[in-house]
Amino acid sequence: NAGVMQNPRHLVRRRGQEARLRCSPVKGHSHVYWYRQLPEEGLKFMVYLQKENIIDESGMPKERFSAEFPKEGPSILRIQQVVRGDSAAYFCASSPPGGPGEKLFFGSGTQLSVL
Amino acid sequence: SQQGEEDPQALSIQEGENATMNCSYKTSINNLQWYRQNSGRGLVHLILIRSNEREKHSGRLRVTLDTSKKSSSLLITASRAADTASYFCATDRNDKIIFGKGTRLHILP
Repeated sequence: NAGVMQNPRHLVRRRGQEARLRCSPVKGHSHVYWYRQLPEEGLKFMVYLQKENIIDESGMPKERFSAEFPKEGPSILRIQQVVRGDSAAYFCASSPPGGPGEKLFFGSGTQLSVL
Repeated sequence: SQQGEEDPQALSIQEGENATMNCSYKTSINNLQWYRQNSGRGLVHLILIRSNEREKHSGRLRVTLDTSKKSSSLLITASRAADTASYFCATDRNDKIIFGKGTRLHILP
């Protein structure tokens, strides 16, 4: 069984460009979470999605950031007009239909570097 | 805001010794989880303890939960070099799972 797949592993963007981060959850998982991590720090919650629904986006900046989890295909975290402060590791995690009470399965992350 | 706070922030011990990490949280929870993260990698789930449980074991891991003090501890017995990693506690809050800032554990040879 494939685990959570994130791509790309590394993404370099110049200021003002768009960054698209992809996450394919574990097969059968219907819940996806996105987290951001700065070096030597913990994971900061960004958004929690179910198929075609955003359940909680309270950790995501209202401007430039958006996330989706369509009926078909991977979850996408999109950052428009990136700035240097967006440089971080972005982790995706999925869980079975039980939701937040279940353990999370993490991908290996996407390291975003903004030049 | 962070829900869980681990302490210590960093811990170095000799191989073979036991390592204890603590986690405190602020609001009531349904369960508490511990995860490990090796440098540059995603998190790996270690153990989940529910709010009606007080202690749980898994191999060399022992987790306790004191809901009256809103705290949990993770004990790793007979530590090995491979245990060097960051350890995070995570609690469920509303519809999301919130992580603490972690304890960086370094096992000395």
